[in-house]
Amino acid sequence: EAGVTQSPTHLIKTRGQQVTLRCSPISGHTSVYWYQQALGLGLQFLLWYDEGEERNRGNFPPRFSGRQFPNYSSELNVNALELEDSALYLCASSSDQDYSPLHFGNGTRLTVT
Amino acid sequence: KQEVTQIPAALSVPEGENLVLNCSFTDSAIYNLQWFRQDPGKGLTSLLLIQSSQREQTSGRLNASLDKSSGRSTLYIAASQPGDSATYLCVTSPRGYQKVTFGTGTKLQVIP
Repeated sequence: EAGVTQSPTHLIKTRGQQVTLRCSPISGHTSVYWYQQALGLGLQFLLWYDEGEERNRGNFPPRFSGRQFPNYSSELNVNALELEDSALYLCASSSDQDYSPLHFGNGTRLTVT
Repeated sequence: KQEVTQIPAALSVPEGENLVLNCSFTDSAIYNLQWFRQDPGKGLTSLLLIQSSQREQTSGRLNASLDKSSGRSTLYIAASQPGDSATYLCVTSPRGYQKVTFGTGTKLQVIP
């Protein structure tokens, strides 16, 4: 069974640019979660998508957005990049079954210069 | 607001030693608790999930326990190996992962 896959693995952008990160959940998983892990900080919840809908978002500005496609893959978009957006962005997925574990991808390392 | 604290923050042990990582949480109304390991610059690898009604789970050399009433979980690693070197995170969640709380982490180094 393929795990959660994320692309690209690394990305370097300039302040003010826009970026799109991609995530494919485990087959059969309908929920996708996005987290940010800035250097030296813990993981912060960004967004939750389920069945194509945004269900919840964390305490991040509106320039962080995303969507989920009919095949349950997801994109995270960040507009007007700022230096503090430099972080490891992790995607995770779970099924809708009770006590379904959370499974993470290897992340996308975004560097904003 | 749930707070999850892990002690110790860092641990260095010789290969072969048995060790215990501790996780404390302030709100006992959890649905499950999951232990992960994270290698530098990588994502999180799921190790064990304990349902709120369970007391422990085992996988190979790993054993995790849960005591909801006292707000504690432990991860026991038997016969540690250098490949066990990583940061270990405990994560609590109510039903649904949009409100997970990640622990502060324990950075483990196993010395050959």
